[in-house]
Amino acid sequence: DGGITQSPKYLFRKEGQNVTLSCEQNLNHDAMYWYRQDPGQGLRLIYYSQIVNDFQKGDIAEGYSVSREKKESFPLTVTSAQKNPTAFYLCASSPRGAGGFSYNEQFFGPGTRLTVL
Amino acid sequence: GIQVEQSPPDLILQEGANSTLRCNFSDSVNNLQWFHQNPWGQLINLFYIPSGTKQNGRLSATTVATERYSLLYISSSQTTDSGVYFCAVGAGNNRKLIWGLGTSLAVNP
Repeated sequence: DGGITQSPKYLFRKEGQNVTLSCEQNLNHDAMYWYRQDPGQGLRLIYYSQIVNDFQKGDIAEGYSVSREKKESFPLTVTSAQKNPTAFYLCASSPRGAGGFSYNEQFFGPGTRLTVL
Repeated sequence: GIQVEQSPPDLILQEGANSTLRCNFSDSVNNLQWFHQNPWGQLINLFYIPSGTKQNGRLSATTVATERYSLLYISSSQTTDSGVYFCAVGAGNNRKLIWGLGTSLAVNP
């Protein structure tokens, strides 16, 4: 049963703590992405990775860090430097496109709701 | 950068009605996706449609790339169609999707 899994579903954090959100995919997709969604808004890109051991900053990378040690996994750490981390976090993946240089349809996991207390 | 505008922002329908959602974008794109976000937050892929027309059951979509818009048609709406519909576009090598603010749809029984 192929898909994208995220854990935990809900996460509560005290101010000043780092937390790590998990994202795993078994679709054999090359690219993976992390997005943040705030109430009433579209999604904003935090980080993306096209290949193992490589990743790029998106539009709102400050206060976040990622790693891509395995093709299947792309964990996101929300650090204490992130000033307003309460949000809904969505992970996505996509296959490599034609010619190997572009990427096609993105597919999303169920998301993690992070609340800072 | 590319701007994405969706209309209408909110829509209320009676079950069985038809509707058309619009997505305008400000520049050429090579990726356009329509999503349905359900009340639990899950984003469900509806269409990958950078150009042309596609149909899937009661839903269909048309993208006119030369005129920079896409339309999502919902026919015979059901209460389970409620949620937020997003349009997202990509350009270049599609590394980033640019998102509209969505159309919030409520279908009443």
